[in-house]
Amino acid sequence: EVQLVESGGDLVQPGGSLRLSCAASGFTFNSYAMAWVRQAPGKGLEWVSSISGSGGTTYYADSVKGRFTISRDNSENTLYVQMNSLRVEDTALYYCAKGQTTSAGSIRFDPWGQGTLVTVSS
Amino acid sequence: EFVLTQSPGTLSLSPGERATLSCRASQSVSNNFLAWYRQKVGQAPRLLIYAASSRATGIPDRFSGSGSGTDFTLTISRLEPEDFAVYYCQQYGSSPLTFGGGTKVEIK
Repeated sequence: EVQLVESGGDLVQPGGSLRLSCAASGFTFNSYAMAWVRQAPGKGLEWVSSISGSGGTTYYADSVKGRFTISRDNSENTLYVQMNSLRVEDTALYYCAKGQTTSAGSIRFDPWGQGTLVTVSS
Repeated sequence: EFVLTQSPGTLSLSPGERATLSCRASQSVSNNFLAWYRQKVGQAPRLLIYAASSRATGIPDRFSGSGSGTDFTLTISRLEPEDFAVYYCQQYGSSPLTFGGGTKVEIK
């Protein structure tokens, strides 16, 4: 059974940094692209970033480009996102999700983790 | 930017009724790479349909997807109690990946 468990969410001040992790199990991790998707409180879903199975290709939403960095450790079956220069509007539940192939483009998300909450506030 | 518009915003129906949800794209979805997700309260989204009309693993056949180009539909033939939730469409044919704003299916 595929399992994705996110961690690292916290309360942080505007301008601060945070690193989220997603521990994966139940599948051959390096064979699949992975992604982060977020959901602000009471709002809809927003794709944040994707990374290929090898880690060599990454994509970002314009809203986080230059501030967030996605990465993966295939030896540890773990996905990361380093979030810098955080803004109030980055407050959201952050989900990690598995893609359907090794390519980071054109991915649908299945399954999803349960999410980790990031709150940016002074 | 690629915009997905879902309608209606809220659908009020009774268990056993048929639900029809719409997702309209601002431009043609490449390869009909359109997915549907269900999100129950307090849970993560779950993939229901991919490539416009293919059911994901474990999804019951009361869920069906149709459409192509810019107009897509999710149909739930007979609503079960667990189907009262929010539904999102997502296009994955073009970057950036985008979601619709969601349709809430509520109990009438």
